[in-house]
Amino acid sequence: DAGVTQSPTHLIKTRGQHVTLRCSPISGHKSVSWYQQVLGQGPQFIFQYYEKEERGRGNFPDRFSARQFPNYSSELNVNALLLGDSALYLCASSSAAWANEKLFFGSGTQLSVL
Amino acid sequence: SQQGEEDPQALSIQEGENATMNCSYKTSINNLQWYRQNSGRGLVHLILIRSNEREKHSGRLRVTLDTSKKSSSLLITASRAADTASYFCATVIYNQGGKLIFGQGTELSVKP
Repeated sequence: DAGVTQSPTHLIKTRGQHVTLRCSPISGHKSVSWYQQVLGQGPQFIFQYYEKEERGRGNFPDRFSARQFPNYSSELNVNALLLGDSALYLCASSSAAWANEKLFFGSGTQLSVL
Repeated sequence: SQQGEEDPQALSIQEGENATMNCSYKTSINNLQWYRQNSGRGLVHLILIRSNEREKHSGRLRVTLDTSKKSSSLLITASRAADTASYFCATVIYNQGGKLIFGQGTELSVKP
């Protein structure tokens, strides 16, 4: 079975642009979470979705938004990119509604903002 | 601020030795999990310990949890070069399900 897949793998953008990151969860998982990992730090929670509804939101500005589709895949959108948005963006899926147990992570999207 | 703080930040050992990593946290938790990350890519779940448990084992991994001290430790026995990775503890705060709060990680290097 396929694991969590994320696209693209790498992305280079300039300040002020917009970016869309995509994630497909493990088959049968209805929960998707997004995390941002800056170099040298642990991942920070951005959003969690379950059955297309937002279940949690981390301490990120409104420039960050996400949605989950009927097939449980998800998109993370970031508007008006800043240099500080450069990071590894990780998607994780879970079978649990509250995504507070074992998470399965994708390999991430490395975003560089120039 | 980070819920979890890990110690040490970096650890270098020889193959066959044991590696111990520690994690401290600040508020009451539902559970605590350990993840491994190779070369800055995706994280892999290693083990979960619930707040009412004190010790769990999985293969060469042993995790302890002391809720009175708000701390946990991960022991990897008989380490191998393939264990070289970053290790993160992650907590689920009581009544705040839906997000994991990660520590800054311990970078483990196992030399052959």
